[in-house]
Amino acid sequence: EDQVTQSPEALRLQEGESSSLNCSYTVSGLRGLFWYRQDPGKGPEFLFTLYSAGEEKEKERLKATLTKKESFLHITAPKPEDSATYLCAVQEETGWTGNQFYFGTGTSLTVIP
Amino acid sequence: ETGVTQTPRHLVMGMTNKKSLKCEQHLGHNAMYWYKQSAKKPLELMFVYNFKEQTENNSVPSRFSPECPNSSHLFLHLHTLQPEDSALYLCASSQDSFYGYTFGSGTRLTVV
Repeated sequence: EDQVTQSPEALRLQEGESSSLNCSYTVSGLRGLFWYRQDPGKGPEFLFTLYSAGEEKEKERLKATLTKKESFLHITAPKPEDSATYLCAVQEETGWTGNQFYFGTGTSLTVIP
Repeated sequence: ETGVTQTPRHLVMGMTNKKSLKCEQHLGHNAMYWYKQSAKKPLELMFVYNFKEQTENNSVPSRFSPECPNSSHLFLHLHTLQPEDSALYLCASSQDSFYGYTFGSGTRLTVV
């Protein structure tokens, strides 16, 4: 069973057209939820960490929110440079082990000028 | 500029070759990781080193051999790989496990 599901798989937006990406998770105890941005041929770049339901974080045109079962990454008035794959990862509260992170398959965002 | 540096950026190797991937982190983190990223799949954790000790090995084939000589350096030694091993190999580091990862830019590996 997938621990993290991201939707949509791909999203095309016109420049300035706001939208949201979804990350739903099924881990029993959440230590943290992470959003990353990944450009083609590069490693993921950290964006946000959310720890508890109701928490929100913002950075430029991006805003991440968290509920008990999902997170949303809202993109307001996107620009072409926001085009990238956005990855969600959840960290399970099971004690220290590197194997407690679960990644989604990402949403590929394309912003058309 | 990321605090995690991976070399080489691209690697093409034959199935009988032996090569190594290198990762160096300049962040003072105490844990380092190797991940495999294939198209349409979630990142797959391969190896974890915590304070230079390997703590996880996710049933990775023995043709992949990690080495962590100190807390700043991590290697992935490759030998007799298969074409399905072609992927982006990512190194990451973290301080403990609570704060998430800092990733390197990855090595794009192609096995021919």
